[in-house]
Amino acid sequence: NAGVTQTPKFRILKIGQSMTLQCAQDMNHNYMYWYRQDPGMGLKLIYYSVGAGITDKGEVPNGYNVSRSTTEDFPLRLELAAPSQTSVYFCASSFAQGGSSYEQYFGPGTRLTVT
Amino acid sequence: ELKVEQNPLFLSMQEGKNYTIYCNYSTTSDRLYWYRQDPGKSLESLFVLLSNGAVKQEGRLMASLDTKARLSTLHITAAVHDLSATYFCAVDKSYNNNDMRFGAGTRLTVKP
Repeated sequence: NAGVTQTPKFRILKIGQSMTLQCAQDMNHNYMYWYRQDPGMGLKLIYYSVGAGITDKGEVPNGYNVSRSTTEDFPLRLELAAPSQTSVYFCASSFAQGGSSYEQYFGPGTRLTVT
Repeated sequence: ELKVEQNPLFLSMQEGKNYTIYCNYSTTSDRLYWYRQDPGKSLESLFVLLSNGAVKQEGRLMASLDTKARLSTLHITAAVHDLSATYFCAVDKSYNNNDMRFGAGTRLTVKP
């Protein structure tokens, strides 16, 4: 299993540009998440999904959009990039069912700089 | 609003010593997670604590959960250099594991 994969690993955007961060998992997990981590800080939840076709906002959703058309993929879209979106973005997944541990598995991250 | 506070934020310790990292949270939750992050790397799950009084141990690390006190501890026994990393606790805001809140992290440095 590849686990959780993310592309690209690094990206530099100009202010106002748009891009999509890709995330895929091959563990058949039903839950998927997007976090951002600013330097020296903990993670903040942007969006999450409890299954294909279902998404919901987390703590810091403004400036982002997501979709979940399949169980495996959960892309994060940045529209009109701003310097405040400079961060490291982590995708994660977990399997949730009655009595399971809800442990999250994280991808390697995408380092995004907006200038 | 759920707040998760860790202390200390920075910890420098000598090899062979013991220490405890604390994680306090502000609202009722019975699911608490500990993760490790090495510099420039992703997060790795250490412990999942799912009930009051839960205690888990792996090597030199032991985690516990007191839901009544809204407190979890990560105890380090006889620290070694390989334990140097940033440790995060995270709390499930809702019962269905769909809204997680992370602490700011404790950056641990173990010196020889």
